Amino acid sequence: DTAVSQTPKYLVTQMGNDKSIKCEQNLGHDTMYWYKQDSKKFLKIMFSYNNKELIINETVPNRFSPKSPDKAHLNLHINSLELGDSAVYFCASSQTSGAQETQYFGPGTRLLVL
Amino acid sequence: KQEVTQIPAALSVPEGENLVLNCSFTDSAIYNLQWFRQDPGKGLTSLLLIQSSQREQTSGRLNASLDKSSGRSTLYIAASQPGDSATYLCAVRPQSSYKLIFGSGTRLLVRP
Repeated sequence: DTAVSQTPKYLVTQMGNDKSIKCEQNLGHDTMYWYKQDSKKFLKIMFSYNNKELIINETVPNRFSPKSPDKAHLNLHINSLELGDSAVYFCASSQTSGAQETQYFGPGTRLLVL
Repeated sequence: KQEVTQIPAALSVPEGENLVLNCSFTDSAIYNLQWFRQDPGKGLTSLLLIQSSQREQTSGRLNASLDKSSGRSTLYIAASQPGDSATYLCAVRPQSSYKLIFGSGTRLLVRP
């Protein structure tokens, strides 16, 4: 069983469209994250939710809106997609938001905006 | 502002060699440092996590060290194998923060 899963794996879309990426974890973790990995392979945190509450909200355009319907899911909705949004988006989870916690990553969603 | 740097960016070695990957960070106020492995087209796998109070962690052929005062960590891989080929990422968790700050990674190729 996949611990952290993301759908879709690949997403190709036109500029201006709205799209969503879904993430689910079956580890019973309380905290979930979204990261963006750009073309230079830098991974940067975007958002984090702990028990469905937003605890990290980095400087991300408000076209990006995370939604956590329950502890096991953290979805990412992107409005009015731009060319610069093309990247790999990773979801991750950890037991808690504590300092000792290892984060477990999903396989990534490769988004290409044309 | 915390910055994480990894050197070298890429490394190619013959099978069987012992090797060292380097990670440096600018602010020593961290909770922990983690090493991850990323295979092409895949997510990240956590390899080792070192708490700020620890000096090193070992798992199998991997040994990670942490010198917080100098802002450095090394990942030592013994007797490298072709299956070790991947990108290795270092990440620090700053104090008073929930987030991880990543380096850009070292791309390792172990030649048979």
